Amino acid sequence: GNSVTQMEGPVTLSEEAFLTINCTYTATGYPSLFWYVQYPGEGLQLLLKATKADDKGSNKGFEATYRKETTSFHLEKGSVQVSDSAVYFCALSDWFGGKLIFGQGTELSVKP
Amino acid sequence: SAVISQKPSRDICQRGTSLTIQCQVDSQVTMMFWYRQQPGQSLTLIATANQGSEATYESGFVIDKFPISRPNLTFSTLTVSNMSPEDSSIYLCSDTREARGSYEQYFGPGTRLTVT
Repeated sequence: GNSVTQMEGPVTLSEEAFLTINCTYTATGYPSLFWYVQYPGEGLQLLLKATKADDKGSNKGFEATYRKETTSFHLEKGSVQVSDSAVYFCALSDWFGGKLIFGQGTELSVKP
Repeated sequence: SAVISQKPSRDICQRGTSLTIQCQVDSQVTMMFWYRQQPGQSLTLIATANQGSEATYESGFVIDKFPISRPNLTFSTLTVSNMSPEDSSIYLCSDTREARGSYEQYFGPGTRLTVT
């Protein structure tokens, strides 16, 4: 069945450091890929998405590219801020917007 | 974007009792979903709630334990029945809607349930 694997956390970075959170997936067909963010004490927010191979999703300085050849969707940001501290979830769904399958989540802590 | 509300936002319940969680969305949607997020864990889908038909449950979840209603296109309820401490989790509802040329899933703020 479909599955998503994320790098384990927690990840601790200094402000302005470069961020990469790895995400790989296993799926049949052509899934859509997503990154969600959960700030402390808050609900889940959609951060970015990509729906086909080589698409790049971007939002708030975060980027991720849909790599079909490596079945990956790594999240990157060039310069993190303290306010980026949160848990990040990689997820996939069928193209028609069905259920989401989530990775384990990666906790990011950014220190000033 | 979407506006999704849940009631209650949190509750503390005694074992053996039941709690019904309400989810209201701001647009008519075909698919709504209920997820569980156990402490420190990721999200796991409980069931898909489609209007006009019975909910579709994922492996490991059964209707007797988690009955779901979907009376119209903007509302759904999830009941957690005969609760035990293992049911202590955050329960989130979501919907899927078309946005920017594809489908996106939006989540409510969650209901934090503690069973004592």
